[in-house]
Amino acid sequence: ELKVEQNPLFLSMQEGKNYTIYCNYSTTSDRLYWYRQDPGKSLESLFVLLSNGAVKQEGRLMASLDTKARLSTLHITAAVHDLSATYFCAVKETSGSRLTFGEGTQLTVNP
Amino acid sequence: DSGVTQTPKHLITATGQRVTLRCSPRSGDLSVYWYQQSLDQGLQFLIQYYNGEERAKGNILERFSAQQFPDLHSELNLSSLELGDSALYFCASSVGGAGYEQYFGPGTRLTVT
Repeated sequence: ELKVEQNPLFLSMQEGKNYTIYCNYSTTSDRLYWYRQDPGKSLESLFVLLSNGAVKQEGRLMASLDTKARLSTLHITAAVHDLSATYFCAVKETSGSRLTFGEGTQLTVNP
Repeated sequence: DSGVTQTPKHLITATGQRVTLRCSPRSGDLSVYWYQQSLDQGLQFLIQYYNGEERAKGNILERFSAQQFPDLHSELNLSSLELGDSALYFCASSVGGAGYEQYFGPGTRLTVT
């Protein structure tokens, strides 16, 4: 059974600082997603990572994938308050289409 | 706005009751997925339909069932409701059966009292 672990689960940051969220998974995958969720809202797709070494950037967020280590990172650069949300990674196994989600990282950016 | 619609937005009901949640996928999408998000279990995959046929099953209770209709909308039926069924239920859709990005609807918040 595929297991997906995120850490940290809670992250409180100061504006302007950098930090990284980690996502480890237990079996072979052919794609990994990062989502953002605001309280009580739906999931907003941030990145889709398809291959080893893939790196994608959007604004202050950058995601990367190391399939050999079964690890993805979401790096936050110079955080701003608007980035406060819960971030999920989700992994799709090589066979099938279901997504297995991590526990989520609740990010709070303080002024 | 992902293009996936779900109704109702909120539902409050009593233990033992039965409810139906509805999902309309994005235009052109053939796959529909149901997920449950609760404080205890996190985000869990329940079931997937592709063009009317069940394609994959996850941690879906026997009290729950789903179907996808010829017009591709889907319904999730929850029966003999328990307090622990209180959760946010998301529907997602994708163009194909596997390997395509899933787009999530706004969710239905179910509260069982």
